[in-house]
Amino acid sequence: KAGVTQTPRYLIKTRGQQVTLSCSPISGHRSVSWYQQTPGQGLQFLFEYFSETQRNKGNFPGRFSGRQFSNSRSEMNVSTLELGDSALYLCASSLPGGEGDEQFFGPGTRLTVL
Amino acid sequence: GEDVEQSLFLSVREGDSSVINCTYTDSSSTYLYWYKQEPGAGLQLLTYIFSNMDMKQDQRLTVLLNKKDKHLSLRIADTQTGDSAIYFCAERGSNSGYALNFGKGTSLLVTP
Repeated sequence: KAGVTQTPRYLIKTRGQQVTLSCSPISGHRSVSWYQQTPGQGLQFLFEYFSETQRNKGNFPGRFSGRQFSNSRSEMNVSTLELGDSALYLCASSLPGGEGDEQFFGPGTRLTVL
Repeated sequence: GEDVEQSLFLSVREGDSSVINCTYTDSSSTYLYWYKQEPGAGLQLLTYIFSNMDMKQDQRLTVLLNKKDKHLSLRIADTQTGDSAIYFCAERGSNSGYALNFGKGTSLLVTP
């Protein structure tokens, strides 16, 4: 079974631009969560989607948004990029009700904002 | 928010056991997880423990949970150089949906 895939793997943008990241969950998984990883703040939860609905949201500004499609694929968007948005963005998928409710992570998208 | 604390660095010799510790503050935590991250990679789920368990063993990995003290540990037996990585402890509260609250990670260095 294929794992979680994220595209693109690397991205370079400039301040003020916007960016869209994509995540394809493991087949059959319906929950997708997004995390931001930075050296200073560590791993921080952004939001979680289940059946196209945002169920949970972390403490990030409104410039960070996401959505989920009917095939469970998810995208996150960051508008008006700031230097501090440079990070590794990780997506995780989960099969709700599975043992341990484990979340399986993708390899991440490395975003650099110049 | 609730805190998850880990020591930042651990160095062990190949063949020894490694013990990585974690403390958390959320008393409503339902599941606690250990993830491994190698350079340039995402997070690999190693194991998890449900909050009503004291111990879980999975091959070389042993997880101990002291719910009273909110202390979690991961023991890696017969540590190998390939175990060198950053290890993250994470907890999931009963009211936080699927949001995981991570520690800052413990960097494990295994020397020959």
